[in-house]
Amino acid sequence: AQSVTQPDIHITVSEGASLELRCNYSYGATPYLFWYVQSPGQGLQLLLKYFSGDTLVQGIKGFEAEFKRSQSSFNLRKPSVHWSDAAEYFCAVVPSGGYQKVTFGTGTKLQVIP
Amino acid sequence: EPEVTQTPSHQVTQMGQEVILRCVPISNHLYFYWYRQILGQKVEFLVSFYNNEISEKSEIFDDQFSVERPDGSNFTLKIRSTKLEDSAMYFCASSPKGQGSGANVLTFGAGSRLTVL
Repeated sequence: AQSVTQPDIHITVSEGASLELRCNYSYGATPYLFWYVQSPGQGLQLLLKYFSGDTLVQGIKGFEAEFKRSQSSFNLRKPSVHWSDAAEYFCAVVPSGGYQKVTFGTGTKLQVIP
Repeated sequence: EPEVTQTPSHQVTQMGQEVILRCVPISNHLYFYWYRQILGQKVEFLVSFYNNEISEKSEIFDDQFSVERPDGSNFTLKIRSTKLEDSAMYFCASSPKGQGSGANVLTFGAGSRLTVL
């Protein structure tokens, strides 16, 4: 069955530390991949997306993600976390080639400590 | 930057009442969606809408739910008789792409929080 998995429900990092949030997918073909962020009480904001080409994609707010086909992964990274990055992060996929619905992972809640 | 706007931001209703959540998608977008997020759970797809009809719906989207594009700008979600378990954040989204024309990038609204008492 097609699925997207975020194995970490909750992550705590110190401000200034590096961050990596994991995302794995299970689809027949490489889907289109996205990361969204949801700040408390806010909607879903697109951080970055991968369709094809360069496997390292840059997004807003200093985030980047790397697509690794061999691992079916699309992990989100940031070299130095800021307190304002505290939020919930959702990996999402759309089957390639289509307009189909977005399927979200269960989310990873990021806590940033001083 | 264009955005999707949703009203109300928060609605409290009694069980059994009808609720209409409103959305104004981005003006040149062709696809419209509703998603919901029950507190503490993942964001779930409800329905997609294209060319004035439902293009796909999930098993959650039962007969209690309906969507409508009453005019050229609004997109509404109606819950006919709310249940306690309908309490959730409801997100509207829109996207510019049509069928078969490539990846679908959704722009989400800020959400409407529905509380059913």
